Amino acid sequence: QVTLRESGPALVKPTQTLTLTCTFSGFSLTTNGMCVSWIRQPPGKALEWLARIDWDDDKYYTTSLKTRLTISKDTSKNQVVLTMTNMDPVDTATYYCALNEYSGSYYTHFDYWGQGTLVTVSS
Amino acid sequence: QSVLTQPPSVSGAPGQRVTISCTGSSSNIGARYDVHWYQQLPGTAPKLLIYANNNRPSGVPARFSGSKSGTSASLAITGLQAEDEADYYCQSYDSSLSGVFGTGTKVTVL
Repeated sequence: QVTLRESGPALVKPTQTLTLTCTFSGFSLTTNGMCVSWIRQPPGKALEWLARIDWDDDKYYTTSLKTRLTISKDTSKNQVVLTMTNMDPVDTATYYCALNEYSGSYYTHFDYWGQGTLVTVSS
Repeated sequence: QSVLTQPPSVSGAPGQRVTISCTGSSSNIGARYDVHWYQQLPGTAPKLLIYANNNRPSGVPARFSGSKSGTSASLAITGLQAEDEADYYCQSYDSSLSGVFGTGTKVTVL
């Protein structure tokens, strides 16, 4: 059974660095083709894809936030970590991690999601 | 920011058919990347509804269907039910292999 769970601070101050952890079970990021993405959703707004880390440690970032994001994995702990620097109130959102796969020629859908964690940026 | 454009809202009476469009470009949907659809009920995480353009995961009712043509895709709900009232998002990839989501559509059952 695949599960993902996000954890991190509920409140951060402007200019601080946010660190979020996705702890998962039911699969391994050492398995060929497995990938974990971070996706966020500001209150009342649309989903926004942020970053992905693949089984082979390839990393991808959304262009608009690339300079602020770092994604990494700890396969021994079954965790994926996202850091976002220089937080701003506009970064207030629910942050999700989600599992997808690389089929060998294309990336697939997000079939498992965490429940999300709300991060508020305020002084 | 969303790269795929959806109508903000659609509505229909119970039993009716509604469709949601998802318009992309030659760098995402038009580049032959598959389109996936998610349903999000209030206060919950998105749930996969349609994958690879027109495939339903196990447990998703047959009244949900998807299609793709050129730089656009569509989600149809045939026989609208009260429990279908939710937000719907399309998703694909772009040429940089980054994920892209739609702007989201709120479905209201009248």
